[in-house]
Amino acid sequence: KAGVTQTPRYLIKTRGQQVTLSCSPISGHRSVSWYQQTPGQGLQFLFEYFSETQRNKGNFPGRFSGRQFSNSRSEMNVSTLELGDSALYLCASSLDRTGPYEQYFGPGTRLTVT
Amino acid sequence: QKEVEQDPGPLSVPEGAIVSLNCTYSNSAFQYFMWYRQYSRKGPELLMYTYSSGNKEDGRFTAQVDKSSKYISLFIRDSQPSDSATYLCAMNEGSYGQNFVFGPGTRLSVLP
Repeated sequence: KAGVTQTPRYLIKTRGQQVTLSCSPISGHRSVSWYQQTPGQGLQFLFEYFSETQRNKGNFPGRFSGRQFSNSRSEMNVSTLELGDSALYLCASSLDRTGPYEQYFGPGTRLTVT
Repeated sequence: QKEVEQDPGPLSVPEGAIVSLNCTYSNSAFQYFMWYRQYSRKGPELLMYTYSSGNKEDGRFTAQVDKSSKYISLFIRDSQPSDSATYLCAMNEGSYGQNFVFGPGTRLSVLP
């Protein structure tokens, strides 16, 4: 079974620009979560989508948004990029049948903001 | 105080040693616990998933949860140089959804 895939793997953007990251979950997984990983803050939860609806949201500004499509693929958007947005953005998918379930991560998208 | 704490390491051990990795947490509502291994510049890889208190074993790995002490552990037996990575613990209350809280990670180095 194919794992979680994320595109692109690397991205360089300029302050003020916006960026869209994509995540394809493991086949059959309906929950997709996004995390930001930085050396200083570690792994921080951004949001989770389940059946095309945002189910949970972390403590990030409104510049961070996402969506999920009917095939469970998800996109994450960051508008008005700041230098501090440079990070590894990780997507994780889960079966989520009856509650918190094992999450499987993709390789991440490394975003550099200059 | 952070919700989940881990000793950042680095922890260096000789090949074949038993490794003990630990997390402490402050939220008594946490019920679901996971351990991940993350190699440099890669996504985290799920190692163990446990619910509530008790032990779980999978090959060389054993996960322990002590909810009364708010303390979880991961033991690695017969450690190998390929186990050199950062180990992350993650926790969830189980109320609704997949918003896990992660520890900062412990960097492990297994020396041949």
